[in-house]
Amino acid sequence: QKEVEQNSGPLSVPEGAIASLNCTYSDRVSQSFFWYRQYSGKSPELIMSIYSNGDKEDGRFTAQLNKASQYVSLLIRDSQPSDSATYLCAVNERNTGKLIFGQGTTLQVKP
Amino acid sequence: KAGVTQTPRYLIKTRGQQVTLSCSPISGHRSVSWYQQTPGQGLQFLFEYFSETQRNKGNFPGRFSGRQFSNSRSEMNVSTLELGDSALYLCASSSGQGDIYEQFFGPGTRLTVL
Repeated sequence: QKEVEQNSGPLSVPEGAIASLNCTYSDRVSQSFFWYRQYSGKSPELIMSIYSNGDKEDGRFTAQLNKASQYVSLLIRDSQPSDSATYLCAVNERNTGKLIFGQGTTLQVKP
Repeated sequence: KAGVTQTPRYLIKTRGQQVTLSCSPISGHRSVSWYQQTPGQGLQFLFEYFSETQRNKGNFPGRFSGRQFSNSRSEMNVSTLELGDSALYLCASSSGQGDIYEQFFGPGTRLTVL
């Protein structure tokens, strides 16, 4: 059974700090990795995608991928209370239309 | 560009009934994937349709079925509803081609089975 593991949290950080969210996956041939943000009562919103080893930055968000360690992370710099949400890590199964999701990490940013 | 739309947004049904949910993808996208989200199981893949053909299927019973039309709109049907089918049903739109396989979710349909 292919799995995606995340710490459920909650992860609590003060406003302005860096939030670090982590995810591990079991399928070595996975090629595409995604981070979604989901506010309570809303649907998931794609915030980052990454395909190659290394870092990918987009504004305050940085995704990091290490395929050898089967590890992907999301850093949120200058965290804001509006970043408080559940962050879902997803792995694309060999570039099919199937995403395998972790259970999500709840982030709380305290003013 | 308009986003993914899903109808209806909310549904209340009783056990044994059937239900049909609809999804319209982003214009130009040919792939529609369906997911079920529950507090206990999280987000689970149901199936994917691409160019009117089911391309991938998850581990759900045959009561869950779907189809896609020539305009890429998709429907999902659940027959003989059970209490455990209460969930948020999400569809996701993607180009379905190439190395980039980003999926964009609609607002979801909240199904309650009584």
